[in-house]
Amino acid sequence: GESVGLHLPTLSVQEGDNSIINCAYSNSASDYFIWYKQESGKGPQFIIDIRSNMDKRQGQRVTVLLNKTVKHLSLQIAATQPGDSAVYFCAERWGMDSSYKLIFGSGTRLLVRP
Amino acid sequence: GAVVSQHPSRVICKSGTSVKIECRSLDFQATTMFWYRQFPKQSLMLMATSNEGSKATYEQGVEKDKFLINHASLTLSTLTVTSAHPEDSSFYICSAQIGDRSYQPQHFGDGTRLSIL
Repeated sequence: GESVGLHLPTLSVQEGDNSIINCAYSNSASDYFIWYKQESGKGPQFIIDIRSNMDKRQGQRVTVLLNKTVKHLSLQIAATQPGDSAVYFCAERWGMDSSYKLIFGSGTRLLVRP
Repeated sequence: GAVVSQHPSRVICKSGTSVKIECRSLDFQATTMFWYRQFPKQSLMLMATSNEGSKATYEQGVEKDKFLINHASLTLSTLTVTSAHPEDSSFYICSAQIGDRSYQPQHFGDGTRLSIL
């Protein structure tokens, strides 16, 4: 269901290390998933997406893994940089085409230590 | 490409004032736009789906008479918070999807910080 969090879990990583951010989604019928990055005071920025007929997709320095069996999504960031510090949200798509909507996860704050 | 512009970025006003927020898709047409609300350290909560030329679809618990949505063209949707009160203070964010194509991400504006005194 919809996610409402009272605080954000935080992942702290050393610059240059790889980061893995996890997300559990709720609807087994969801067919499309998106990862967004949100910096303070700004709107979410698209990072990468994946359809439910795939289990892995790679972008530049990022990889998304989808495990439909356990309804789990992860975002891997290679060689994490200070500019990667932000809050990361996964989103799942409910509905069909013209009536679909995105349901956002509770988010994870990524802190990159220099 | 896929730029969404939101205006204003910040509003501070007195209780009882109505506030209009604009959301524009700058380089694409958006049949559907979405309005979200985000409280500090929380996730985005969908308020309503705005469809060009028709009435908006509101999520459960969102008052349609309080949050008026107008999607007058394929590049503009507006959200009006009527008779705003301190509890309406929040970060309002809009998004848009390119046309009717499936499996396209929503693209977000940079939000409007609304503070009601």
